[in-house]
Amino acid sequence: GAGVSQSPSNKVTEKGKDVELRCDPISGHTALYWYRQSLGQGLEFLIYFQGNSAPDKSGLPSDRFSAERTGGSVSTLTIQRTQQEDSAVYLCASSFSVGSTYNSPLHFGNGTRLTVT
Amino acid sequence: AQSVTQLGSHVSVSEGALVLLRCNYSSSVPPYLFWYVQYPNQGLQLLLKYTTGATLVKGINGFEAEFKKSETSFHLTKPSAHMSDAAEYFCAVRHNYGQNFVFGPGTRLSVLP
Repeated sequence: GAGVSQSPSNKVTEKGKDVELRCDPISGHTALYWYRQSLGQGLEFLIYFQGNSAPDKSGLPSDRFSAERTGGSVSTLTIQRTQQEDSAVYLCASSFSVGSTYNSPLHFGNGTRLTVT
Repeated sequence: AQSVTQLGSHVSVSEGALVLLRCNYSSSVPPYLFWYVQYPNQGLQLLLKYTTGATLVKGINGFEAEFKKSETSFHLTKPSAHMSDAAEYFCAVRHNYGQNFVFGPGTRLSVLP
């Protein structure tokens, strides 16, 4: 497939459990972003990767949230000890972002809907 | 800090009527500008983008947007609304010196029969 792939599409977990959300970006895209979208709300920036490093992780809500990216490709967002307020749709997006490609748009996956019960 | 404002969190139009969704950005340097659409239970899809050149940009599904530097605006329009246009619309900006995209809060478009 040519698009951004996220898995799982839906995740229901109990409060206090850890969850891992996966994002597979478009091949060749160097930048990868995670956003959170709560019900009826806009996009909340979480973290951005350039290659395997994260120059901007300012949006992570707490130290329960972490993310990594390996091989300049797949990224995993981990939420430890989930809370009910973590319930949201987690969106991943990728883009070219080197030099003259700053005008390249973000390409989004369909998101993972996380429900914490 | 950069910001993007979208006037009207919810806009309702009748089918066949003009659609106008507003977007303003705060920046002394014109950024790259984007409009995205989000249909229910889906991710965001690019409608159109402005980078350089012609200030009137045509996108998919009959939408277009005009970049007005003097007004720091990038409003989205469509001459005739269709029921299938009902969705959430997000305006976003990005600068050529930064990596991040800044999104507006979104405008929900309802199309009435």
